[in-house]
Amino acid sequence: AQSVTQLGSHVSVSEGALVLLRCNYSSSVPPYLFWYVQYPNQGLQLLLKYTSAATLVKGINGFEAEFKKSETSFHLTKPSAHMSDAAEYFCAVSVPRDMRFGAGTRLTVKP
Amino acid sequence: NAGVTQTPKFQVLKTGQSMTLQCAQDMNHEYMSWYRQDPGMGLRLIHYSVGAGITDQGEVPNGYNVSRSTTEDFPLRLLSAAPSQTSVYFCASRSSGSTDTQYFGPGTRLTVL
Repeated sequence: AQSVTQLGSHVSVSEGALVLLRCNYSSSVPPYLFWYVQYPNQGLQLLLKYTSAATLVKGINGFEAEFKKSETSFHLTKPSAHMSDAAEYFCAVSVPRDMRFGAGTRLTVKP
Repeated sequence: NAGVTQTPKFQVLKTGQSMTLQCAQDMNHEYMSWYRQDPGMGLRLIHYSVGAGITDQGEVPNGYNVSRSTTEDFPLRLLSAAPSQTSVYFCASRSSGSTDTQYFGPGTRLTVL
């Protein structure tokens, strides 16, 4: 069965530092992978998605993710954190008729 | 487009009460889903629908019912509320393709006393 695992339930970085949020997938077929962001008391918004067109995917707000088949990973990065990036981030894999989500990683940005 | 809308935003129930969470989308999406979000567990699928008149169970369907009489609406019914159903509920919709983005509503925060 297809699934994703997010490593680290909490990540804390300083403003201006690199953001790295980790996601590994398990799939017997080429997966379609997504990153969503959830700001406090809101629903989920799409950051970016991998649909096999390119391994490096650029999303909104300066985020990007690289699909690495050899490592079964789809880590989310941003070169320089901003205070407004503080939120919860979810990795997800598309399965027939639905999506499966990771447990989420809460990002804290320190001034 | 309003996207995906949910009502109510907040609800407090007593154990044993029933209620319906409303969800509507105006994007003509075939697929609609209900998730619950609990701390440290991500989003878990309750029920989903692949079109009007077609519904199926997800990971955690017990205690919930759904129906889909129109493309736009996908209500979630709690038959007899229990404290274990205290959670935040999200409705989502997307077109039928596996690469299509899933759009989420703003959520309903439910507390069962």
